[in-house]
Amino acid sequence: GAGVSQSPSNKVTEKGKDVELRCDPISGHTALYWYRQSLGQGLEFLIYFQGNSAPDKSGLPSDRFSAERTGGSVSTLTIQRTQQEDSAVYLCASRLQGYTEAFFGQGTRLTVV
Amino acid sequence: EDKVVQSPLSLVVHEGDTVTLNCSYEVTNFRSLLWYKQEKKAPTFLFMLTSSGIEKKSGRLSSILDKKELFSILNITATQTGDSAVYLCAVGNTGKLIFGQGTTLQVKP
Repeated sequence: GAGVSQSPSNKVTEKGKDVELRCDPISGHTALYWYRQSLGQGLEFLIYFQGNSAPDKSGLPSDRFSAERTGGSVSTLTIQRTQQEDSAVYLCASRLQGYTEAFFGQGTRLTVV
Repeated sequence: EDKVVQSPLSLVVHEGDTVTLNCSYEVTNFRSLLWYKQEKKAPTFLFMLTSSGIEKKSGRLSSILDKKELFSILNITATQTGDSAVYLCAVGNTGKLIFGQGTTLQVKP
C-alpha cells in the first residue's frame, strides 16, 4: 500500500475484554514496530519485528500483550483482559531493512471503559 | 540502558523567532538519528542523520549530528504558527528505534 495502515482508528472496549489491533505496513518493508503513546507522553516501545520474527519484545508491559506478524506483512497486536491503564494511542511503523526512515500509521486510539 | 533525552520539554515562542531543539543519547550500536514532527496522531518524518557534522536542511528546518558528543540539534528559523507541534527525536540501533520524550513547541502569532 501507499502508506502504513492501521485499523480500527478508534476502539472503545469494556474492561476485561480482549482487543486486536491491526497494522498493514508499507509493501516491502521488512521491519515493523509497535509503540504506545499515552496522553501527553512520548512513544513507548512495545515490540519490533524483522520479517516474521520478533528479535525484541522487551517493551511489552505484561503477558496480557502479544503480537504476531504473518507473511512478513500484516501484524496484529492483541491485548487480553484489557485494563483502564491500557487506554492509549497504539502506533505502528515500518521501515525497509537497513538504516532508513520509519513511517508511521495513523494509530489506533484505544479507550477502555 | 539505552536512552534518548530531549530538551527543553516545552517551548513557547512568537512567530519569526528561531528555535533550537536538543536531543542527546546513550544508545549501544548507534546507526542513525531521526527527527519527527507530531501534530495529531502519526509522527511525520523530517530528517535522518548518520554522519557527524553534515547538516541536513529542508526549508526553514535544519539538523546536525555530533557523534562524538552524542547529540543532535534541530533548528527552525522564522517560525510560523504551523510549526506548533511535538518534535520527536529517535535513535536507531541494530534493531529498534528508541524515542525521546519529545519537545512541545507552541508558536504564538
